[in-house]
Amino acid sequence: AQKVTQAQTEISVVEKEDVTLDCVYETRDTTYYLFWYKQPPSGELVFLIRRNSFDEQNEISGRYSWNFQKSTSSFNFTITASQVVDSAVYFCALLNYGGATNKLIFGTGTLLAVQP
Amino acid sequence: DTAVSQTPKYLVTQMGNDKSIKCEQNLGHDTMYWYKQDSKKFLKIMFSYNNKELIINETVPNRFSPKSPDKAHLNLHINSLELGDSAVYFCASSQEPARGTQYFGPGTRLTVL
Repeated sequence: AQKVTQAQTEISVVEKEDVTLDCVYETRDTTYYLFWYKQPPSGELVFLIRRNSFDEQNEISGRYSWNFQKSTSSFNFTITASQVVDSAVYFCALLNYGGATNKLIFGTGTLLAVQP
Repeated sequence: DTAVSQTPKYLVTQMGNDKSIKCEQNLGHDTMYWYKQDSKKFLKIMFSYNNKELIINETVPNRFSPKSPDKAHLNLHINSLELGDSAVYFCASSQEPARGTQYFGPGTRLTVL
């Protein structure tokens, strides 16, 4: 079975704090893809990053960084020096590689509130 | 310039009515999707089309009927709307169904009164 767990329902931080959003996934497949999406208060879903299961290198993009660890089935997302504009719901998602009928499975999302 | 667009952005209607949501993508992708996001923000796939062919059809009431006139368009028609249909509906597209990154439209907030 495929599953994505985002145990943190809501996180509140003060601007400039660092924050890590957790994502744990379950899959029996050896080839799969992991994603993070951002949903700001305006409602759209914005793609942030995609990793494949064979690439465990951490990635940094500006204030954002991602830590992929297959040993713990985790794909955590850290925002450094958070800003008010980072306030959003963040979704982690899993896609198993295979036939066309494979589905993108979303976690339940983490609501991040960054206070000024 | 918008990659995936949906119309309308907001839809308010009465129970029992029939309504449609339109989606267009200009990314040249082969695969398009419809997702439903409920009031708790949970996102679940409803349908997927690849080159105008239906490839994913989740357990969705048959009041919901997707139609893909061409690769760039995927519309969603809903008959006999019910209160429980109130949600945000997202269209998405990807280059490949099995491993492509999905890019989402802005969403359509449907409210059934």
